[in-house]
Amino acid sequence: AQSVTQLGSHVSVSEGALVLLRCNYSSSVPPYLFWYVQYPNQGLQLLLKYTSAATLVKGINGFEAEFKKSETSFHLTKPSAHMSDAAEYFCAVSEGVAGNKLTFGGGTRVLVKP
Amino acid sequence: NAGVTQTPKFRILKIGQSMTLQCAQDMNHNYMYWYRQDPGMGLKLIYYSVGAGITDKGEVPNGYNVSRSTTEDFPLRLELAAPSQTSVYFCASSAGLGNVLTFGAGSRLTVL
Repeated sequence: AQSVTQLGSHVSVSEGALVLLRCNYSSSVPPYLFWYVQYPNQGLQLLLKYTSAATLVKGINGFEAEFKKSETSFHLTKPSAHMSDAAEYFCAVSEGVAGNKLTFGGGTRVLVKP
Repeated sequence: NAGVTQTPKFRILKIGQSMTLQCAQDMNHNYMYWYRQDPGMGLKLIYYSVGAGITDKGEVPNGYNVSRSTTEDFPLRLELAAPSQTSVYFCASSAGLGNVLTFGAGSRLTVL
């Protein structure tokens, strides 16, 4: 069975500072990995996805994530936080191309301080 | 292009009542999903469907039922509502295996 752990349910960063959100996964087969963002009172939107191509994945709004198989991690980063980055972020895994269900982590809420 | 549309956005139910959450997509996606979101718990899969007439249970199906009579629609039925079903429900769809999910805006349900 697959699972996802997000370290830290809340993260507070200053505007302009690095954003780092941690995600570790377990999967019995090579995984597909995703980061989604949820703004208040909205559904989830895709930030980026890893599907076994390049290990460094670039997404929207300046975010990127690096797949590290040896660490079973897929951490999300952004070099410089903006006020508009305040949202909840979810890491998710599916079991490769044969998987048709996503398993989500518990989410990390990001607060950006001016 | 509306994407995934969920109705209602908000609903308050009394214990024991029943209701149906509606979900419709206009992208001709075969795969559709129902998730519930509870604070700190992420999203949990309730039911999913890989095509019209085919449904299967997810991680937390108890107390819910679904049907998929058309490609476009995937309603979620709550029978005998309980306080534990207070949650935000999200419907999603995708074009197929390994594809990105498109989410609806959510339906907030409170059971009192």
